[in-house]
Amino acid sequence: DSGVTQTPKHLITATGQRVTLRCSPRSGDLSVYWYQQSLDQGLQFLIQYYNGEERAKGNILERFSAQQFPDLHSELNLSSLELGDSALYFCASSFNKEGGPSAMNEQFFGPGTRLTVL
Amino acid sequence: QQPVQSPQAVILREGEDAVINCSSSKALYSVHWYRQKHGEAPVFLMILLKGGEQKGHEKISASFNEKKQQSSLYLTASQLSYSGTYFCGTGGSGNTGKLIFGQGTTLQVKP
Repeated sequence: DSGVTQTPKHLITATGQRVTLRCSPRSGDLSVYWYQQSLDQGLQFLIQYYNGEERAKGNILERFSAQQFPDLHSELNLSSLELGDSALYFCASSFNKEGGPSAMNEQFFGPGTRLTVL
Repeated sequence: QQPVQSPQAVILREGEDAVINCSSSKALYSVHWYRQKHGEAPVFLMILLKGGEQKGHEKISASFNEKKQQSSLYLTASQLSYSGTYFCGTGGSGNTGKLIFGQGTTLQVKP
């Protein structure tokens, strides 16, 4: 158990709908990362938040958005869903010393949310 | 730019060794290694930084070659529990923890 929690575990919805995925980082971690993993694909970086602010962006679609709240939990919002959005969505968190994220901090992954768009 | 991992898949017998490579077309600053078992979350194995700093599990070893822009993960005396998909992630020198992961190497250890 990494200490990172994600809800829901499974989500089945229809095309055109909107869903929200939730992530709670490990206690003390300020950074939250979102990744998408499609079938037989690697981990695609979507976005990173550090202490409530967006810190880095990957190839995140305009239909997707995220935020990190004052209690440091994060939500990933996916709208106008398409069949191709079906994937496993992971959240990860890392501890960062004062000064912000660094490459020396390992990321702890949550169990993921499996999204199926029908 | 996504790093390229090789081989794509490898099958071993218990006790055999394996090397997984991760190559980047861009200058490497940091390389992270994770292992993911089927249906589970990736688990941290090791971080290597330009300049030689490393952090990771004692039983895992890896190398970082700045000139070749490559990192290698060495799995020695493999155990059944080593089975899974191994991902390398490359990080930049900026003030983010952003990682770009390779496509993964699937390792299967047989008794």
